[in-house]
Amino acid sequence: DADVTQTPRNRITKTGKRIMLECSQTKGHDRMYWYRQDPGLGLRLIYYSFDVKDINKGEISDGYSVSRQAQAKFSLSLESAIPNQTALYFCATSGPGLAGVNEQFFGPGTRLTVL
Amino acid sequence: LAKTTQPISMDSYEGQEVNITCSHNNIATNDYITWYQQFPSQGPRFIIQGYKTKVTNEVASLFIPADRKSSTLSLPRVSLSDTAVYYCLVGDKAGANNLFFGTGTRLTVIP
Repeated sequence: DADVTQTPRNRITKTGKRIMLECSQTKGHDRMYWYRQDPGLGLRLIYYSFDVKDINKGEISDGYSVSRQAQAKFSLSLESAIPNQTALYFCATSGPGLAGVNEQFFGPGTRLTVL
Repeated sequence: LAKTTQPISMDSYEGQEVNITCSHNNIATNDYITWYQQFPSQGPRFIIQGYKTKVTNEVASLFIPADRKSSTLSLPRVSLSDTAVYYCLVGDKAGANNLFFGTGTRLTVIP
């Protein structure tokens, strides 16, 4: 979805380096999420934020940190990258829906390789 | 936390109807059932959502029996472009239970 952008789209880094992945959205949504996807596997939730002052750990938060700089921006950091963090990272947003569970809108993904 | 179980993979010929079933035995009263579609190297995309009985949109139908312990995503007359991974999620609006995608079902449409 073009309303959710991620930078960079591809990144190669070395073990031990600090790296930040950024996500921006123009949908006006309060909720933002970070997922990682490994080859042949589903998405796993890293962190999520229901509003600017709310940060929650997901299924696999170890080795990651996040910052919600504004309603529209949610960054994911790897303080000291390691090879098993090589994956495809997705940012997503959701907002008020008419009913039921809020639909999530995903960014294009960031392919991260840690050597 | 309602956990879901789906078949790992399915194959279908073009033009056929495909039904993908998801089991969610521990579904809670406030939980909804949501299905997403993911193409390679893209983020998932919302397909359909339901609470009970049947829901239909321009893309698919979702059948939910009275006990709500399972659901079936039905794709009518699939084409090659429907080859993707399909995820079933169960959760309520307020919390984060709806954020667990699992491994999904890999559908391959054969010419």
